[in-house]
Amino acid sequence: DTGVSQDPRHKITKRGQNVTFRCDPISEHNRLYWYRQTLGQGPEFLTYFQNEAQLEKSRLLSDRFSAERPKGSFSTLEIQRTEQGDSAMYLCASSLETGSNTGELFFGEGSRLTVL
Amino acid sequence: KNQVEQSPQSLIILEGKNCTLQCNYTVSPFSNLRWYKQDTGRGPVSLTIMTFSENTKSNGRYTATLDADTKQSSLHITASQLSDSASYICVVSAQVSGYALNFGKGTSLLVTP
Repeated sequence: DTGVSQDPRHKITKRGQNVTFRCDPISEHNRLYWYRQTLGQGPEFLTYFQNEAQLEKSRLLSDRFSAERPKGSFSTLEIQRTEQGDSAMYLCASSLETGSNTGELFFGEGSRLTVL
Repeated sequence: KNQVEQSPQSLIILEGKNCTLQCNYTVSPFSNLRWYKQDTGRGPVSLTIMTFSENTKSNGRYTATLDADTKQSSLHITASQLSDSASYICVVSAQVSGYALNFGKGTSLLVTP
């Protein structure tokens, strides 16, 4: 396993279009996280999954954002009707949870979105 | 409210010099503190993870310290190299169920020749 993979690495789209990002976590990891990062800021938490269950989605930025992890493996993050303010780096991370503490996070290289 | 504050916001140093980055937090109850290095346009990479009982942890030229009483951590970089130029992010995990991670905004470090 080569780590967390994200696709595409770069996406340029026109305002109003829908975009979807994919994340393949480290295979034995049971938790998967999505973050948004803008220039000069730390990652901003969006949502996370424990296996296929989405445990937190209240911090998704709007109802235009949705995420799925249908079989507890890969995940997708979809942004509908994109706006210029959605331009950012979207990071995925995964971890192995074995107790009450959050395990070490392994991040992907990110998907950079530019909305024209 | 759980917060993580990092200072300085940015730093420029000469190659070969040492530097120290600071992280202050109000996260409670505390679980662990992590430092990540993020190269421009890349995902963050873990440098260290420290629990309540650990005061110091090293990873090569990187040494992190933790004072859980004052809720402060520092990341010391020794004999800096050009490749150390990156953003360094402090993340504090709370001992709670559910999502527990609190991210700082990062310190941007530039090492110049």
